[in-house]
Amino acid sequence: DVKVTQSSRYLVKRTGEKVFLECVQDMDHENMFWYRQDPGLGLRLIYFSYDVKMKEKGDIPEGYSVSREKKERFSLILESASTNQTSMYLCASRRFGTGGGSYGYTFGSGTRLTVV
Amino acid sequence: QQQVKQSPQSLIVQKGGISIINCAYENTAFDYFPWYQQFPGKGPALLIAIRPDVSEKKEGRFTISFNKSAKQFSLHIMDSQPGDSATYFCAASSYSGYSTLTFGKGTMLLVSP
Repeated sequence: DVKVTQSSRYLVKRTGEKVFLECVQDMDHENMFWYRQDPGLGLRLIYFSYDVKMKEKGDIPEGYSVSREKKERFSLILESASTNQTSMYLCASRRFGTGGGSYGYTFGSGTRLTVV
Repeated sequence: QQQVKQSPQSLIVQKGGISIINCAYENTAFDYFPWYQQFPGKGPALLIAIRPDVSEKKEGRFTISFNKSAKQFSLHIMDSQPGDSATYFCAASSYSGYSTLTFGKGTMLLVSP
């Protein structure tokens, strides 16, 4: 019973390409997040969204943008891919409410992006 | 940047032993501390979490110990099994619904048979 689905497991793109990473959740969660995971650096927050049409920068937003036109879908966009954006990208969702900071994230299985 | 410092980076434990992973935080506004477990090829999954009103929380073989004055918390895995071999991340946030999790850098645990 997959809850958070990332459209691609592996992706290879060329430097300078515009890249779209798609994430869909079926739990009616308000909050959605994009992290990148690199060895020795853990998970770093790129962008997040509290609800539809809303977006907030995380810790490392440079070179990325996001789109959330529908509640269930959160897209990460690499405007002009560079080799230093080669990474594992993880999408997550969380429901919002009182004490919502304590609700667990549900992660997708990740997209491993290689930029050549 | 608010940090969560995690150690060790990697850990090898014999089957049946105790695995201990430690984390320290700086931001006193943090009041929610989860641990996530990640197997290869999978996204992280919530394992166990604690709030600072208690000093310890146990779920099966997994225990979180929390020391508010030292701003430290740790994960103990009792009777470690080869199936526990995974990467473990500690994290922290405030309780607010507008908060985001700050993750540690992760610990790769290998439980040898």
